[in-house]
Amino acid sequence: EMQLSESGGDFVQPGESLRLSCTASGFTFNNYAMTWVRQAPGKGLEWVSGISDIGDTTYYVDAVKGRFTVSRDNSNNTLYLHMNNLRAEDTAVYYCAKCEAVEVVCSSDVWGQGTTVTVSS
Amino acid sequence: DIQMTQSPSSLSASVGDRVSITCQASHDINSSLSWYLQRPGRAPNLLIFHASNLETGVPSRFSGSGSGTHFTFTINSLLPEDIGTYYCQQYDDLPLTFGGGTRVEI
Repeated sequence: EMQLSESGGDFVQPGESLRLSCTASGFTFNNYAMTWVRQAPGKGLEWVSGISDIGDTTYYVDAVKGRFTVSRDNSNNTLYLHMNNLRAEDTAVYYCAKCEAVEVVCSSDVWGQGTTVTVSS
Repeated sequence: DIQMTQSPSSLSASVGDRVSITCQASHDINSSLSWYLQRPGRAPNLLIFHASNLETGVPSRFSGSGSGTHFTFTINSLLPEDIGTYYCQQYDDLPLTFGGGTRVEI
């Protein structure tokens, strides 16, 4: 069974940093692009970032460019989201999701359970 | 960015009803559209990809149609387990964008 499991969410103050992790199992991780999607409390879904299958290309929504960095360790089937200079508006449940293709422009067929990031003073 | 306008934002229907949701894209996205269901407190679940293709394991009462800028998602006969929020998502161009969601209640 294909599975994703996120971790690393926490309660932090504005300006602080956090690293989210997403561990994959049940599929060949390095055959697929991966994405991060977030959902602010009571709001809809927002795509945040994507990374190609081998990690050579990365993409971000404008709201996080320059602050967030996506990376992956294909030898350990793990996806990361490094978040710097966090803001209150970054408060959300963060989901990692598997693409159905090697490129980031894709639909996502497997999702993790989500990890919660709260940014508040 | 491609804007996705989803309607209605919520609906209430009875078990057995036929339910339809529409999604309009601000630019031509060909057939690069997915539909997801997010049940309360859960992660989204892929139902339809490439506008009309049913994801493996998804019941056949769900269907999708459309191309270009106008898309429709239909539940042929609503069941209690279908409650939740439905989202469309375009993947024709980055950033990927979602519709605002349609909350379906019984």
